[in-house]
Amino acid sequence: NAGVTQTPKFRILKIGQSMTLQCAQDMNHNYMYWYRQDPGMGLKLIYYSVGAGITDKGEVPNGYNVSRSTTEDFPLRLELAAPSQTSVYFCASSKPSATDTQYFGPGTRLTVL
Amino acid sequence: EDKVVQSPLSLVVHEGDTVTLNCSYEVTNFRSLLWYKQEKKAPTFLFMLTSSGIEKKSGRLSSILDKKELFSILNITATQTGDSAVYLCAVGSNAGNNRKLIWGLGTSLGVNP
Repeated sequence: NAGVTQTPKFRILKIGQSMTLQCAQDMNHNYMYWYRQDPGMGLKLIYYSVGAGITDKGEVPNGYNVSRSTTEDFPLRLELAAPSQTSVYFCASSKPSATDTQYFGPGTRLTVL
Repeated sequence: EDKVVQSPLSLVVHEGDTVTLNCSYEVTNFRSLLWYKQEKKAPTFLFMLTSSGIEKKSGRLSSILDKKELFSILNITATQTGDSAVYLCAVGSNAGNNRKLIWGLGTSLGVNP
């Protein structure tokens, strides 16, 4: 099993550009999450999904969108990139029976200039 | 407001030392407390604690929860350079958005040979 995979590993965007961060898991986990991690700020939940077709906002959803058309994939969309979105983004997944035990992908380091 | 506070924020020890990392919390409707290790990339799961006084152990790492005093400790004995990492504490709450974990800022541990 590859676990949770994320692409790309690194990306530099200009202000106003859009992009999609990809996340996939092969563990058949229903729950998937997107976090951002900023220095000195801890992990913040952006969006989460409890299954295909069901998504909900986390603590910091502004400026982002998600979709969940399959169990495996949970892409995160940035529509109009801003410098405040410079961060490391982590995708995670968990089983319904153990939602707190989350398995993380390797992260995407995004810089918006 | 729910919060998780870890201490110390950082420390440096010599190989072979024993360290104790602290995590205190104020969270509505506590569900679980988790410890993760983050070595430059994705956080990896260490322990989940739900009951007071029951020690969880894995090799040289152990952890215990005190739900009366609202804290947990993570002990690492006979530290090795490979233990150098940021150790994250997170608490699950059943209040409101019950898929959310509240994350601490982490303790950065450096182990010198």
